[in-house]
Amino acid sequence: ETGVTQTPRHLVMGMTNKKSLKCEQHLGHNAMYWYKQSAKKPLELMFVYNFKEQTENNSVPSRFSPECPNSSHLFLHLHTLQPEDSALYLCASSQGETAAGGYTFGSGTRLTVV
Amino acid sequence: AQSVTQLGSHVSVSEGALVLLRCNYSSSVPPYLFWYVQYPNQGLQLLLKYTSAATLVKGINGFEAEFKKSETSFHLTKPSAHMSDAAEYFCAVTFSGGSNYKLTFGKGTLLTVNP
Repeated sequence: ETGVTQTPRHLVMGMTNKKSLKCEQHLGHNAMYWYKQSAKKPLELMFVYNFKEQTENNSVPSRFSPECPNSSHLFLHLHTLQPEDSALYLCASSQGETAAGGYTFGSGTRLTVV
Repeated sequence: AQSVTQLGSHVSVSEGALVLLRCNYSSSVPPYLFWYVQYPNQGLQLLLKYTSAATLVKGINGFEAEFKKSETSFHLTKPSAHMSDAAEYFCAVTFSGGSNYKLTFGKGTLLTVNP
């Protein structure tokens, strides 16, 4: 148990489907993050939330829609995705203004778009 | 702006040999530095971190890293590689002060351990 739980672990969806990824942490952290990890590419930061307010959106296409109802939960709503969106989606959390303690990551959701 | 550079996208060692994974950083203020490990289809797990205390930091699984300000480096070492060390390793940096909430990651180094 890493302290950050992501569900589902695996997801296969068609390009016309709508699905959601869920992330939950009970570490008392204030910041939460979505990352995309594609094969042979660096980690891509998608969104940052601090105390449930979005502080960063790295030009992510609108087919990805984040939601952060409170500091413990983070969602990523997916719709009309493309095959190139297939990747490992990682959620992380941290405490404080500078993430000086580092991130705690979830185990990720392996997404395949068919 | 802060950045990290990991030299070598792929490092291959024999079991029992020294592991050395290189990381150099760029930061205009004192950094906090981290090494993470990722096994296939898993999230990233914190190996160790430097937060301005001792310059030699010991982590889990026998790894350690030394912060060298003069060289702007934070290389990861392990005296004797084990097959279970095969994974991808990421160096990351953030800095004291400011409120940017996030780490900057290197591109990762894939470690292969040969029997």
